[in-house]
Amino acid sequence: AAGVIQSPRHLIKEKRETATLKCYPIPRHDTVYWYQQGPGQDPQFLISFYEKMQSDKGSIPDRFSAQQFSDYHSELNMSSLELGDSALYFCASSYGQGAQETQYFGPGTRLLVL
Amino acid sequence: LAKTTQPISMDSYEGQEVNITCSHNNIATNDYITWYQQFPSQGPRFIIQGYKTKVTNEVASLFIPADRKSSTLSLPRVSLSDTAVYYCLVGARNTGGFKTIFGAGTRLFVKA
Repeated sequence: AAGVIQSPRHLIKEKRETATLKCYPIPRHDTVYWYQQGPGQDPQFLISFYEKMQSDKGSIPDRFSAQQFSDYHSELNMSSLELGDSALYFCASSYGQGAQETQYFGPGTRLLVL
Repeated sequence: LAKTTQPISMDSYEGQEVNITCSHNNIATNDYITWYQQFPSQGPRFIIQGYKTKVTNEVASLFIPADRKSSTLSLPRVSLSDTAVYYCLVGARNTGGFKTIFGAGTRLFVKA
């Protein structure tokens, strides 16, 4: 079965550079979530999109922005990178039926800021 | 969003049954309870979901008492490969929006 695809899988950037992470949800899923997970920490919700519209925001820095395109893929844009942005970034997609939902996570993008 | 509380860590031995309890005193009427498993450097993976009473699948069972203020994930006969972090999440898609909060999960260590 098709899974969530994230690219790139690994990314190395310098401080103050920009990075773009991409997420391709499972076909027919209508919701995309982005999470950040630092070393030894639990996943932190950043932002979500439902039917290509931003639906909720979590602890996403102002330096980050995201969007979902007409083909439902999503991109997380990160500017003025800081050392503390080094983390695993997960994308998840879901298709809800009423109140019930299961999120399917991608393999993640490991970002290292030097 | 209902806050959840789980034990920080648990130890077990291969072949034993493991029960991880999650407290969610402020669960709302529409909320579902979902458990995810996460291995190091991998994305969380769905294990099981329930609303009330008992749910069982090929991997685990989920027990939810009548007041729904807690839930217990039961893993039968664990193996070394079940060593992972387990997260309990509570929420509802259409009334809670699309914000998912992962609390501090339970780190399960399975020993030989």
